[in-house]
This record gives sequence, C-alpha cells and structure tokens, in this order.
Amino acid sequence: DVKVTQSSRYLVKRTGEKVFLECVQDMDHENMFWYRQDPGLGLRLIYFSYDVKMKEKGDIPEGYSVSREKKERFSLILESASTNQTSMYLCASSFGWSGNTIYFGEGSWLTVV
Amino acid sequence: DQQVKQNSPSLSVQEGRISILNCDYTNSMFDYFLWYKKYPAEGPTFLISISSIKDKNEDGRFTVFLNKSAKHLSLHIVPSQPGDSAVYFCAASEGLDSWGKLQFGAGTQVVVTP
Repeated sequence: DVKVTQSSRYLVKRTGEKVFLECVQDMDHENMFWYRQDPGLGLRLIYFSYDVKMKEKGDIPEGYSVSREKKERFSLILESASTNQTSMYLCASSFGWSGNTIYFGEGSWLTVV
Repeated sequence: DQQVKQNSPSLSVQEGRISILNCDYTNSMFDYFLWYKKYPAEGPTFLISISSIKDKNEDGRFTVFLNKSAKHLSLHIVPSQPGDSAVYFCAASEGLDSWGKLQFGAGTQVVVTP
C-alpha cells in the first residue's frame, strides 16, 4: 500500500514563527503536492514538485515555500506564520499525471495564534 | 473565484436509498473529473473519475454522470450504506496529463442513517 506520512498531525504556532511541515512517501513517486483544506473552499493547491529540486507554484503560493531535496520528502515552509494560515494541510504524491493516481496523507492541523 | 462548486454542504439519506451529489464547474477547459471521499482524520481517497469523452462511468454502487453542455456532474450512490458517510469532494483538471493539478469543490458531507 502507498503510504504518505505527514510527521506532525497537530501543531500550534505563534504568529511570526517559522513553521516546517514534513511529508514523506514510500512509493518512489515523481510528483508531490501540498494542499490546504478550508471550510467552504475545499482543497487548494499551494505548491507541487515533479522532481527533486523542482517546484511549481499552485493556486495559493503566497506566504509559503517548499523544499524537495530528496525524492521521497517534500517540505512546506511558512517563513513567518500568520493567523490566516490556520488550516488543515494535506500532502499528496502521485506516480502519474492524472488525479486518480494521487495519494493523500492524513493531514496536518496547524493553528497559528 | 472557485471554478468547481458543490452547492450542497450536506446531505442526509436513509440506508438503502440513493444518494445524489451534485457538482458544477465554470472552466470549459476542464475535461477530466474526479470524486474523492474523505473520512475524518484521514486524507481524501480516489473514488471514481470520468473524462469528457464520456457521459457516464460506473463502478459498483457508484456512478458519475457528466453533462458537458450544462457544466454539471453528479455522483450517484446506490444503495447507500452507513460506511458511505463521509465528505465527498468533486475535482476537475484540464487534461488527463495535468500533472495531477486539481481544482476541488468545497465538499458535501453525506450522512447515511439506518
């Protein structure tokens, strides 16, 4: 079974802190994604990566950066956390280009106070 | 502005009856559509998809219908079971080779009652 693991399930951070959300997949997938899920808005793509050290902006990249130094690991970075970044963050990976091959992690709940 | 809309945030249905979930989209370039299911404290999982060359796709109890002219798709679950209680997300992409970049709707919470 494909496993996408998000290391932190629940985090509480202060405004202005630097936050790292880590994601690891164990299936040698080329593509990895970070989404955020908010009530009434569904899932929105923040960044994705199709190869090591490659990254592309999604629909809402402002306030975020990413790092992919190894194929299995994709990190989301909030340089200076703000309260409007309180959300559920979902990491995903895929072995193809179509949405039916995407596998999601269990999510990280981030609260910024 | 959201390009994929699920206007019903919740749906309650009796076990054994049909669940119908609706989804509308605005981008005429979308040509691949998917439904995901999400249980609490878990990530979404792929349920069923349809490409724009079809108007219906069936997989067991789940059927997705696509009406391109109306920019509307629906998911039918027949018969509904208690294990179907979850949030269902509609998603769309421009092309099958879309790098997995999807536009999601806001989700519909389905509750199946005994």
